[in-house]
Amino acid sequence: DVKVTQSSRYLVKRTGEKVFLECVQDMDHENMFWYRQDPGLGLRLIYFSYDVKMKEKGDIPEGYSVSREKKERFSLILESASTNQTSMYLCASSLTRTDYGYTFGSGTRLTVV
Amino acid sequence: QQQVKQSPQSLIVQKGGIPIINCAYENTAFDYFPWYQQFPGKGPALLIAIRPDVSEKKEGRFTISFNKSAKQFSLHIMDSQPGDSATYFCAASKALGRLYFGRGTQLTVWP
Repeated sequence: DVKVTQSSRYLVKRTGEKVFLECVQDMDHENMFWYRQDPGLGLRLIYFSYDVKMKEKGDIPEGYSVSREKKERFSLILESASTNQTSMYLCASSLTRTDYGYTFGSGTRLTVV
Repeated sequence: QQQVKQSPQSLIVQKGGIPIINCAYENTAFDYFPWYQQFPGKGPALLIAIRPDVSEKKEGRFTISFNKSAKQFSLHIMDSQPGDSATYFCAASKALGRLYFGRGTQLTVWP
């Protein structure tokens, strides 16, 4: 069964810390995405990548960066965590740019204190 | 600016009822409209999708109705069951583009 695995289910970090959220897919998918999910706001796209070493800004990239050194791994980086980045973070992947059937991971609930 | 507007935010129905979730969009370049279903503690999963060349698509108890002229589409769940209780997201995309999601509808089906 195809899988998108997020390294942590729950994380608690302090304000100002640098935070790494890791995502790995085992499906040889070209595209990978990072979303955050907040009640009443739905799924908001932070960054996405259509290829290795390539990245594009989504709708809310401020305060975040990403890294994609290998096809199967897409990392989200919070350079200096703030309390307003407390959220559920979801990683997703899709096979190609014409494939809109995203496969999501189960999410990482990040709390910044 | 929200590309896809979804309503209602929450919905409660009795078992056997037919919940209807509505979405609207403005960008006429959108050519793919999927629905995702999310259970607590899980990521969203693709449920059903439609392209604008058809007005309706059925998969089991789930139906998408699509009105191209009104730029609206909706999800109907026939004979709803408590196991259908979840959050539902509509989305839209244009060729080679990313998905734009609605804000979600939390559906509760009472037994």
